[in-house]
Amino acid sequence: QSVLTQPPSVSGAPGQRVTISCTGSSSNIGAHYDVHWYQQVPGTAPKLLIYGNTNRPSGVPDRFSGSKSGTSASLAITGLQAEDEADYYCQSYDSSLSGVVFGGGTKLTVL
Amino acid sequence: QITLKESGPTLAKPTQTLTLTCTFSGFSLSTNGVGVGWIRQPPGKALEWLALIYWDDDKRYSPSLKRRLTITKDTSKNQVVLTMTNMDPVDTATYYCAHGRGVTAPFDYWGQGTLVIVSS
Repeated sequence: QSVLTQPPSVSGAPGQRVTISCTGSSSNIGAHYDVHWYQQVPGTAPKLLIYGNTNRPSGVPDRFSGSKSGTSASLAITGLQAEDEADYYCQSYDSSLSGVVFGGGTKLTVL
Repeated sequence: QITLKESGPTLAKPTQTLTLTCTFSGFSLSTNGVGVGWIRQPPGKALEWLALIYWDDDKRYSPSLKRRLTITKDTSKNQVVLTMTNMDPVDTATYYCAHGRGVTAPFDYWGQGTLVIVSS
């Protein structure tokens, strides 16, 4: 059971928009700790996608965006492409656990 | 260009102590604010943070694994070593090291990972 809750799977057709939620609590996301998002293509290492809730590292397309409100955060992907098919993870810090926490991951399928 | 690479045994026996080394380049672990963390991922499962060491030798551990983990650094060799005692089959996972700037910061560069299988 992950501290941060993500839907196990989401799907969308090419060109569509999908969102992935990351729900936490008052000791992590709700305590104003930043949320970061990673993309992981099976068999490869995670890649930083969004940091500090809303920021994209250099090279990440602006089709990817992040937001945060209250005890939740979301990753949005617009103009879905086949290459976006991957697993996505959110990350934050939990003050009660005194440690880094990850979400359980969401598998994105491009139909 | 920042790169990290994990090394260590592919196979470990139950009750053994696992030692993994992260060798990196492109940054120094003596630079203010820099850290290196370890994250693992059991096959088909989610990422799990294990430990992080800062430039000033401050160390942070996952509370659930703290009693089994030790993280150290060798700044002159650009290496970070993670030891995990009393290995169990449930510790079978791909172990990653990653560059970061603290427990609230993102891991912006990752190694390729090394698969460790725990079996008798």
